[in-house]
Amino acid sequence: QVTLRESGPAVVKPTHTLTLTCSFSGFSLSTTAMSVSWIRQPPGKALEWLARIDWEDEEFYSPSLQTRLALSKDTSKNQVVLTVTNMDPVDTATYYCARGRMIGGVISCDHWGQGLLVTVSS
Amino acid sequence: DIQMTQSPSTLSASVGDRVTITCRASQNIVNYVNWYQQRPGKAPKLLIYAASKLQDGVPSRFRGSGSGADFTLAISSLQPEDFATYYCQQTYTSPRFGGGTKVELK
Repeated sequence: QVTLRESGPAVVKPTHTLTLTCSFSGFSLSTTAMSVSWIRQPPGKALEWLARIDWEDEEFYSPSLQTRLALSKDTSKNQVVLTVTNMDPVDTATYYCARGRMIGGVISCDHWGQGLLVTVSS
Repeated sequence: DIQMTQSPSTLSASVGDRVTITCRASQNIVNYVNWYQQRPGKAPKLLIYAASKLQDGVPSRFRGSGSGADFTLAISSLQPEDFATYYCQQTYTSPRFGGGTKVELK
């Protein structure tokens, strides 16, 4: 059974750095075609893809946010960490991590965490 | 940067209706499209991957079609649990979601 869970602070001050951890079970990030993505959703708005790390340790970032994002993974602990620097109130959102699997070259997110609401406020 | 234009933004329908949602990409993305359902307060759920492949466990009333730049999600007979918001996503390049379609009760 595949599960993912996001953890981190509920409130972050403007200009500070957000660190989120995705803890997962039921799969390994060292398995071919597996990846973990981060997606966020501001209240009442659409989903926004942020970043992905895959089984080959390749990292991919949203072009509009790539200067502020960084990923790392600990395969032995089954965790992926996302850091977002210089947080702003517009970054207030529910942050999701999701398992990605690649079939026929197409990557889709087939399992998601429950999400973590992060509010940026002083 | 490939844009995904999803329409309509809101759709009013009744139980039993057939509904269709469309997504148009700003360029040819072959079949690199996924569709997700999101119920209020819940995480998204994968329905369709690679434009037309039904995710395991998803009812067969959901059908994805299209290739190139135009894609469609159809629900053949709307059920009460299908009132939700639906998103397309392209993964041909840096992944991007459409703006969403809220399916609401007429």
